[in-house]
Amino acid sequence: NAGVTQTPKFRILKIGQSMTLQCTQDMNHNYMYWYRQDPGMGLKLIYYSVGAGITDKGEVPNGYNVSRSTTEDFPLRLELAAPSQTSVYFCATQLTTGGRNEQYFGPGTRLTVT
Amino acid sequence: SQKIEQNSEALNIQEGKTATLTCNYTNYSPAYLQWYRQDPGRGPVFLLLIRENEKEKRKERLKVTFDTTLKQSLFHITASQPADSATYLCALEETGGFKTIFGAGTRLFVKA
Repeated sequence: NAGVTQTPKFRILKIGQSMTLQCTQDMNHNYMYWYRQDPGMGLKLIYYSVGAGITDKGEVPNGYNVSRSTTEDFPLRLELAAPSQTSVYFCATQLTTGGRNEQYFGPGTRLTVT
Repeated sequence: SQKIEQNSEALNIQEGKTATLTCNYTNYSPAYLQWYRQDPGRGPVFLLLIRENEKEKRKERLKVTFDTTLKQSLFHITASQPADSATYLCALEETGGFKTIFGAGTRLFVKA
């Protein structure tokens, strides 16, 4: 049981390049989230999904896109990378049934855009 | 405006003492509040959840209180150990909401 896995762990992008951050979970959780965390700041929600085929914007969605074709996978796409997207990105899952609401986080992807 | 605030200054305490961290919120009506631990270079790890109708929750050396009148949660670590050194995040979710709002966290250092 791997929990939440994210790839890659690190990446350096040039301005204008694109990439996809991968997130996979094996816990059969219905909710999935993408956050970014800048130094000294809290986690900011980028996008979230309440189930396969359903996604919605969070607090800071501009410059990103997501899809959720399966329960397990929730990739985050960056188009036309900008220096402002330099951050650490965390994927998280949540099981919203049974009265338990905690989130389970992946190890993060550290992205630098230069 | 809506805010969730934690003390941005690091908390330094001596081993064996009780660490108390504060989380204040404004213009939210949380259904529940959670506390997470985050170590450098890692994702947050869930510690405790307390619901709006609960005053206090305990788990081993951890205790959380929730005062909806003061709009505040306190997180206590008793008999602290150097291994407790980490950043602690509070997070809330409103009734009927799909999103969890995180505070920026408070860094705790426990000295031996």
